[in-house]
Amino acid sequence: GAVVSQHPSRVICKSGTSVKIECRSLDFQATTMFWYRQFPKQSLMLMATSNEGSKATYEQGVEKDKFLINHASLTLSTLTVTSAHPEDSSFYICSARERVYNEQFFGPGTRLTVL
Amino acid sequence: GENVEQHPSTLSVQEGDSAVIKCTYSDSASNYFPWYKQELGKRPQLIIDIRSNVGEKKDQRIAVTLNKTAKHFSLHITETQPEDSAVYFCAASRGQAGTALIFGKGTTLSVSS
Repeated sequence: GAVVSQHPSRVICKSGTSVKIECRSLDFQATTMFWYRQFPKQSLMLMATSNEGSKATYEQGVEKDKFLINHASLTLSTLTVTSAHPEDSSFYICSARERVYNEQFFGPGTRLTVL
Repeated sequence: GENVEQHPSTLSVQEGDSAVIKCTYSDSASNYFPWYKQELGKRPQLIIDIRSNVGEKKDQRIAVTLNKTAKHFSLHITETQPEDSAVYFCAASRGQAGTALIFGKGTTLSVSS
């Protein structure tokens, strides 16, 4: 089956620093990837849609200057949380759209903790 | 904007009983409705999905029904087992399958033996 990886799986950083999270589709090409955020005991909230070679589309209320998304290739999208603060601590999950069957496959998630 | 409502938020059943989780959606353009099972700290795992040209789909102990007119869909799990205990999320696509998913708030299912 289609595999999506995320790196790192867990990161702890100090307030004010920036953190980059990578999402890779390992055995298929993904022209579209999605970034979700999940706070403890809550649902997945769509943050943005990332399209290869073009600017990401952000959901209402998500600051594009704080959550920088780059989809530079058909297998890689990155999310950079800039000037992270404790309220940004969350579980960040990406998904990649497989073109043939039009299914989404989720990455394993990245647990971000901002001290 | 689009919205997905999910009920109940918690569900406790005895092993062997059936469990039903219901969702409603608001976006008429939605035509793909997946269900996910998520264990603590892990990625959502697709357990079954249905597309808008189908009213019902079954896979062993799991079934999903869709009523597009009423904009609701349901997950049915029969002969529940303790390993079915997890959080279940419904979702609706924003338009065609493969587009962004809008998730319900989740149902915590507990199956006691």
